[in-house]
Amino acid sequence: DAGITQSPRYKITETGRQVTLMCHQTWSHSYMFWYRQDLGHGLRLIYYSAAADITDKGEVPDGYVVSRSKTENFPLTLESATRSQTSVYFCASSPSSYRDPGAGQYFGPGTRLTVT
Amino acid sequence: GQNIDQPTEMTATEGAIVQINCTYQTSGFNGLFWYQQHAGEAPTFLSYNVLDGLEEKGRFSSFLSRSKGYSYLLLKELQMKDSASYLCAVYRVTGGGNKLTFGTGTQLKVEL
Repeated sequence: DAGITQSPRYKITETGRQVTLMCHQTWSHSYMFWYRQDLGHGLRLIYYSAAADITDKGEVPDGYVVSRSKTENFPLTLESATRSQTSVYFCASSPSSYRDPGAGQYFGPGTRLTVT
Repeated sequence: GQNIDQPTEMTATEGAIVQINCTYQTSGFNGLFWYQQHAGEAPTFLSYNVLDGLEEKGRFSSFLSRSKGYSYLLLKELQMKDSASYLCAVYRVTGGGNKLTFGTGTQLKVEL
């Protein structure tokens, strides 16, 4: 199906385990983003990517790793999960450049992660 | 730093008009987005303002004043389905690319 998908949609893991959240988009958008959403904080940018093999840190990158070997995929890995990483994670993609920012960002359905 | 302020909650009546305000102080500004997010769902794009003034899209309008660091989202003829969180986000073009910085959102409840 066309669009942006995330997997898994729900995940429960234990402290210290490695977890990878997957994100896949079919639009060939250049930009992809990972956000976390917590009560009282809104959406906060973790990492973003302007193109394949180009990634950069956002506002809250500590404890997370990303890669982007293909344009359509942008996995997010929690190397050693902590309880503070319990959150809802959203992936987004955008065709935007500074010439056409009005296209906005398109969000995936989210992954609800609980770290016990 | 980046600071984006919105009211936490608002309540309005079906059929009425409601205005959701957003003020921002950011290092850099290239535009402002409004997103709608229903509970348990992903944010969806509503509007984008880059120039001062009002942008109208059906029942929804968005206003921007860059000199005042101020925007609002106006929802007319409110419907029950408009009950959702409304997110204000500042768009910035940085050395690393384009970024959105979000406010914490305004939870709108529409009542009969």
